[in-house]
Amino acid sequence: EPEVTQTPSHQVTQMGQEVILRCVPISNHLYFYWYRQILGQKVEFLVSFYNNEISEKSEIFDDQFSVERPDGSNFTLKIRSTKLEDSAMYFCASKGGRLGVYEQYFGPGTRLTVT
Amino acid sequence: SQQGEEDPQALSIQEGENATMNCSYKTSINNLQWYRQNSGRGLVHLILIRSNEREKHSGRLRVTLDTSKKSSSLLITASRAADTASYFCAYILTGGGNKLTFGTGTQLKVEL
Repeated sequence: EPEVTQTPSHQVTQMGQEVILRCVPISNHLYFYWYRQILGQKVEFLVSFYNNEISEKSEIFDDQFSVERPDGSNFTLKIRSTKLEDSAMYFCASKGGRLGVYEQYFGPGTRLTVT
Repeated sequence: SQQGEEDPQALSIQEGENATMNCSYKTSINNLQWYRQNSGRGLVHLILIRSNEREKHSGRLRVTLDTSKKSSSLLITASRAADTASYFCAYILTGGGNKLTFGTGTQLKVEL
Protein backbone atom coordinates (compact mmCIF):
# COMPACT_ATOMS: atom_id res chain seq x y z
CA GLU A 1 0.00 0.00 0.00
CA PRO A 2 1.42 3.42 -0.91
CA GLU A 3 2.55 5.56 1.99
CA VAL A 4 4.03 8.92 2.79
CA THR A 5 7.70 8.81 3.71
CA GLN A 6 9.77 11.38 5.55
CA THR A 7 13.49 11.89 6.08
CA PRO A 8 15.31 12.16 8.32
CA SER A 9 13.50 10.47 11.17
CA HIS A 10 15.40 12.58 13.67
CA GLN A 11 17.28 15.83 13.12
CA VAL A 12 19.34 17.61 15.75
CA THR A 13 20.44 21.13 14.97
CA GLN A 14 21.80 24.17 16.73
CA MET A 15 19.77 27.30 17.20
CA GLY A 16 20.09 29.62 14.22
CA GLN A 17 20.86 26.87 11.76
CA GLU A 18 18.78 26.10 8.69
CA VAL A 19 17.06 22.75 8.39
CA ILE A 20 15.26 21.08 5.53
CA LEU A 21 12.76 18.36 6.24
CA ARG A 22 11.89 16.11 3.36
CA CYS A 23 8.76 14.26 2.41
CA VAL A 24 7.72 12.01 -0.42
CA PRO A 25 3.91 12.12 -0.64
CA ILE A 26 1.79 9.36 -2.13
CA SER A 27 2.45 9.48 -5.84
CA ASN A 28 -0.95 10.39 -7.28
CA HIS A 29 -1.89 12.84 -4.54
CA LEU A 30 -2.27 16.52 -5.31
CA TYR A 31 -2.59 18.20 -1.91
CA PHE A 32 0.32 18.37 0.49
CA TYR A 33 0.52 19.50 4.09
CA TRP A 34 2.87 20.07 6.96
CA TYR A 35 1.76 19.78 10.57
CA ARG A 36 3.73 19.82 13.75
CA GLN A 37 3.30 18.43 17.23
CA ILE A 38 5.22 19.85 20.14
CA LEU A 39 5.86 17.13 22.73
CA GLY A 40 2.72 16.44 24.72
CA GLN A 41 0.61 18.89 22.76
CA LYS A 42 -1.93 18.83 19.95
CA VAL A 43 -1.11 18.41 16.31
CA GLU A 44 -1.10 21.84 14.66
CA PHE A 45 -1.54 22.75 11.02
CA LEU A 46 1.32 24.67 9.42
CA VAL A 47 0.72 24.91 5.68
CA SER A 48 -1.08 23.38 2.74
CA PHE A 49 0.21 23.28 -0.81
CA TYR A 50 -1.62 22.68 -4.07
CA ASN A 51 -0.83 23.33 -7.70
CA ASN A 52 2.68 24.48 -6.84
CA GLU A 53 1.66 27.16 -4.42
CA ILE A 54 0.68 27.64 -0.81
CA SER A 55 -3.09 27.43 -0.48
CA GLU A 56 -3.29 28.10 3.24
CA LYS A 57 -0.95 28.74 6.13
CA SER A 58 -1.25 29.19 9.86
CA GLU A 59 0.10 31.92 12.10
CA ILE A 60 2.94 29.60 13.02
CA PHE A 61 4.13 29.54 9.42
CA ASP A 62 6.00 32.84 9.44
CA ASP A 63 8.81 34.14 7.24
CA GLN A 64 11.22 31.64 8.75
CA PHE A 65 9.34 28.80 7.10
CA SER A 66 9.08 27.91 3.46
CA VAL A 67 7.89 24.95 1.43
CA GLU A 68 8.88 23.68 -1.95
CA ARG A 69 8.08 20.91 -4.35
CA PRO A 70 11.37 20.87 -6.25
CA ASP A 71 10.49 17.92 -8.45
CA GLY A 72 7.60 15.58 -9.10
CA SER A 73 8.05 13.58 -5.93
CA ASN A 74 9.57 15.55 -3.06
CA PHE A 75 7.91 18.09 -0.80
CA THR A 76 10.18 19.99 1.60
CA LEU A 77 9.81 22.22 4.62
CA LYS A 78 12.65 24.63 5.30
CA ILE A 79 13.21 26.49 8.53
CA ARG A 80 15.74 29.23 7.86
CA SER A 81 16.97 30.04 11.35
CA THR A 82 15.80 27.54 13.90
CA LYS A 83 14.70 28.51 17.39
CA LEU A 84 14.45 26.38 20.50
CA GLU A 85 10.67 26.51 20.25
CA ASP A 86 10.80 24.89 16.81
CA SER A 87 11.64 21.61 18.51
CA ALA A 88 8.74 19.33 17.63
CA MET A 89 7.64 16.38 15.55
CA TYR A 90 6.93 17.52 12.01
CA PHE A 91 4.46 15.53 9.96
CA CYS A 92 3.95 15.65 6.25
CA ALA A 93 0.58 14.59 4.84
CA SER A 94 -0.95 14.22 1.42
CA LYS A 95 -4.42 13.91 -0.02
CA GLY A 96 -5.84 12.76 -3.30
CA GLY A 97 -7.30 15.23 -5.74
CA ARG A 98 -10.70 13.66 -6.36
CA LEU A 99 -13.71 15.75 -5.40
CA GLY A 100 -15.15 14.72 -2.07
CA VAL A 101 -11.98 12.98 -0.88
CA TYR A 102 -10.92 14.33 2.48
CA GLU A 103 -8.69 11.69 4.06
CA GLN A 104 -5.18 12.90 4.66
CA TYR A 105 -2.40 10.34 4.95
CA PHE A 106 0.47 11.13 7.23
CA GLY A 107 4.11 10.23 7.16
CA PRO A 108 5.94 8.85 10.21
CA GLY A 109 7.29 12.28 11.11
CA THR A 110 10.65 13.94 11.62
CA ARG A 111 11.61 14.71 15.19
CA LEU A 112 13.43 18.04 15.16
CA THR A 113 15.52 18.90 18.19
CA VAL A 114 16.96 22.40 18.37
CA THR A 115 19.72 22.85 20.94
CA SER B 1 -10.04 28.52 19.67
CA GLN B 2 -11.56 26.28 17.03
CA GLN B 3 -9.77 23.24 18.35
CA GLY B 4 -11.73 20.41 19.77
CA GLU B 5 -11.63 18.74 23.09
CA GLU B 6 -11.56 15.03 23.72
CA ASP B 7 -12.48 13.08 26.74
CA PRO B 8 -11.37 11.27 28.59
CA GLN B 9 -7.78 12.46 28.41
CA ALA B 10 -6.67 9.01 29.45
CA LEU B 11 -8.45 5.67 29.54
CA SER B 12 -7.21 2.37 30.92
CA ILE B 13 -9.16 -0.82 30.26
CA GLN B 14 -8.69 -4.57 30.23
CA GLU B 15 -8.24 -6.50 27.02
CA GLY B 16 -11.59 -7.54 25.64
CA GLU B 17 -13.46 -4.54 27.00
CA ASN B 18 -14.85 -1.78 24.85
CA ALA B 19 -13.28 1.67 24.75
CA THR B 20 -15.25 4.82 24.06
CA MET B 21 -13.65 8.15 23.31
CA ASN B 22 -15.49 11.41 22.75
CA CYS B 23 -14.69 14.50 20.75
CA SER B 24 -16.40 17.86 20.86
CA TYR B 25 -15.92 20.78 18.53
CA LYS B 26 -17.13 24.35 18.42
CA THR B 27 -18.30 25.19 14.94
CA SER B 28 -19.73 23.75 11.76
CA ILE B 29 -17.68 21.01 10.16
CA ASN B 30 -17.48 19.35 6.80
CA ASN B 31 -16.36 15.97 8.08
CA LEU B 32 -14.62 14.41 11.05
CA GLN B 33 -11.82 11.89 11.04
CA TRP B 34 -10.18 9.75 13.69
CA TYR B 35 -6.47 9.02 13.82
CA ARG B 36 -4.34 6.74 15.97
CA GLN B 37 -0.83 7.60 17.10
CA ASN B 38 1.43 5.07 18.72
CA SER B 39 3.90 6.59 21.13
CA GLY B 40 6.26 8.93 19.30
CA ARG B 41 5.16 7.68 15.92
CA GLY B 42 3.10 8.91 12.98
CA LEU B 43 -0.63 9.37 12.64
CA VAL B 44 -2.62 6.54 11.15
CA HIS B 45 -5.95 7.34 9.56
CA LEU B 46 -8.73 5.19 10.99
CA ILE B 47 -12.07 6.38 9.74
CA LEU B 48 -13.89 9.40 8.31
CA ILE B 49 -17.50 10.37 8.88
CA ARG B 50 -19.17 13.07 6.84
CA SER B 51 -21.38 15.76 8.32
CA ASN B 52 -24.50 14.18 6.79
CA GLU B 53 -23.74 10.77 8.32
CA ARG B 54 -24.68 9.70 11.83
CA GLU B 55 -22.82 6.44 12.24
CA LYS B 56 -20.10 4.51 10.50
CA HIS B 57 -18.42 1.17 11.08
CA SER B 58 -15.04 -0.20 10.14
CA GLY B 59 -14.06 -3.55 11.60
CA ARG B 60 -14.00 -3.13 15.39
CA LEU B 61 -14.45 0.63 15.10
CA ARG B 62 -17.74 2.45 15.35
CA VAL B 63 -17.95 6.20 14.95
CA THR B 64 -20.95 8.38 15.62
CA LEU B 65 -21.48 12.01 14.81
CA ASP B 66 -24.07 14.33 16.32
CA THR B 67 -23.86 17.67 14.56
CA SER B 68 -26.56 19.18 16.76
CA LYS B 69 -24.40 18.54 19.82
CA LYS B 70 -21.15 19.11 17.90
CA SER B 71 -19.74 15.86 19.14
CA SER B 72 -18.43 12.55 17.91
CA SER B 73 -17.52 9.31 19.58
CA LEU B 74 -15.18 6.49 18.68
CA LEU B 75 -15.95 3.05 20.03
CA ILE B 76 -13.37 0.28 19.85
CA THR B 77 -14.96 -3.06 20.59
CA ALA B 78 -13.20 -6.09 22.02
CA SER B 79 -10.02 -4.13 22.62
CA ARG B 80 -6.57 -5.65 22.31
CA ALA B 81 -3.24 -4.72 23.84
CA ALA B 82 -2.17 -3.56 20.36
CA ASP B 83 -4.88 -0.88 20.48
CA THR B 84 -2.81 0.95 23.10
CA ALA B 85 -2.17 4.35 21.54
CA SER B 86 -3.37 7.94 21.49
CA TYR B 87 -6.51 8.63 19.51
CA PHE B 88 -7.25 11.99 17.97
CA CYS B 89 -10.28 13.38 16.28
CA ALA B 90 -9.59 15.82 13.48
CA TYR B 91 -12.00 17.80 11.41
CA ILE B 92 -12.28 20.18 8.53
CA LEU B 93 -14.29 23.28 9.29
CA THR B 94 -16.99 24.26 6.86
CA GLY B 95 -15.34 26.80 4.58
CA GLY B 96 -12.02 26.00 6.22
CA GLY B 97 -10.20 24.80 3.18
CA ASN B 98 -8.52 21.45 3.57
CA LYS B 99 -6.64 21.86 6.82
CA LEU B 100 -7.33 19.50 9.68
CA THR B 101 -8.00 20.83 13.15
CA PHE B 102 -7.04 18.25 15.75
CA GLY B 103 -8.55 17.51 19.11
CA THR B 104 -6.58 17.10 22.30
CA GLY B 105 -6.45 13.31 22.09
CA THR B 106 -7.24 10.40 24.36
CA GLN B 107 -4.47 8.13 25.59
CA LEU B 108 -5.80 4.59 25.61
CA LYS B 109 -4.05 1.84 27.51
CA VAL B 110 -5.28 -1.70 27.08
CA GLU B 111 -3.92 -4.05 29.69
CA LEU B 112 -3.64 -7.80 29.45
